[in-house]
Formats: sequence, C-alpha cells, structure tokens
Amino acid sequence: GENVEQHPSTLSVQEGDSAVIKCTYSDSASNYFPWYKQELGKRPQLIIDIRSNVGEKKDQRIAVTLNKTAKHFSLHITETQPEDSAVYFCAASTRGTYKYIFGTGTRLKVLA
Amino acid sequence: SQTIHQWPATLVQPVGSPLSLECTVEGTSNPNLYWYRQAAGRGLQLLFYSVGIGQISSEVPQNLSASRPQDRQFILSSKKLLLSDSGFYLCAWSGDRDEQYFGPGTRLTVT
Repeated sequence: GENVEQHPSTLSVQEGDSAVIKCTYSDSASNYFPWYKQELGKRPQLIIDIRSNVGEKKDQRIAVTLNKTAKHFSLHITETQPEDSAVYFCAASTRGTYKYIFGTGTRLKVLA
Repeated sequence: SQTIHQWPATLVQPVGSPLSLECTVEGTSNPNLYWYRQAAGRGLQLLFYSVGIGQISSEVPQNLSASRPQDRQFILSSKKLLLSDSGFYLCAWSGDRDEQYFGPGTRLTVT
C-alpha cells in the first residue's frame, strides 16, 4: 500500500543553524505534499505545501523541495529559532483520493 | 473565513462507557471531513473520512463509528470504550483544494 517514510525521527540543531527533514513516498500518482507543524498539545498547522508541477517553494525561512523522479521531498528551515521547536509531519496525497498518507513525524529541537 | 470547532476539549471516560465527539465547520459548504487519532507521542492515524452527507469511509477496523448527519457536522461515536481508545482526536476539513485544516482536538482518556 501507499507509504511515506520520514527521517530523521528526532533532530537537534543550534539556534541559527539550518534544519532539513526528508520524506520519501511510494505512490507515483501522489501530486500534493503538505508539511505540518505540531506544537505540544496543539493541533497540526499547515506551514507549507508543494504540488507535483513545482520543484521548489519558499516562504520566508522555510522551503520545500520535490524530486518526483526519486519520489523525495524535503523541508528546509533556515536561521532556526527556539519557536521552531515542534514535531513536523510530511504527507502525500493524490487528487481525488481525499486522503493523506502521513509520515511518522520529526521532533525538532532548537537549542538556544 | 472558515472555522472548525470540536467539543469537548477534554474528556475522561471509564472503560465500557459510550462516546460522542462532535465536529462542526463554518464558512464553507460541502467540505470533506476527517477524523484522526493521535496516540501520545505518535503520528496521525486516519479513522474515517466523508465526502458528503451520509457518506462515510472507514480506514481502520475498530469499535468506533462515524456519522455525518448534516453537511458541516461530523460525529465520532463508540458504544463501549476500550483503554486503547485513549488519545488525541482531531477532526479536519478540506475543500476544493487539497489542503486539510485541523480542529483544536479532543483529548480523551479512558480509565
């Protein structure tokens, strides 16, 4: 069945450094890839997404890249700040299926 | 703008008791609706989704059920709770585009 693998499961970086989280999907028909940030005890919040017709998308300090051939997509956070500390989830979806396949999450700790 | 509500925010229930969690969406019509469960420190497990009134798809066999009595209302139920039903229950909606937006969640503890 469809699967999304997410790495690493935990990531610690120094404040100001960059963080990269990687996901691999199995369904070649997937065409939408969102990223969510979940702070402790809160709901997941959509922070950025990318569609299969685009290779890269940026929004201030965060960016997402997509390699359709390799079926990889990655979240890049630059100039990390303590408030970036949270669990990040990637997901893959195919239009018309109504469902996301979520990765298992990455706990990011930004050390001040 | 669209808003999604869930209640209650927290719930403590004994094993074997019934459950009813409610989710409503405002500011949109004919949304796709979803119920997820998140065990402590774990990922998001899709339980049910609905693309219209009375249309429910189940993803995981369990003692839970879902209903959609109105266009913007989604209900999660159980007749008898198990200890393993404890978790953070999240409702989500999506519209014509692909983005899913989550509600504030219900934290359920089964004792």
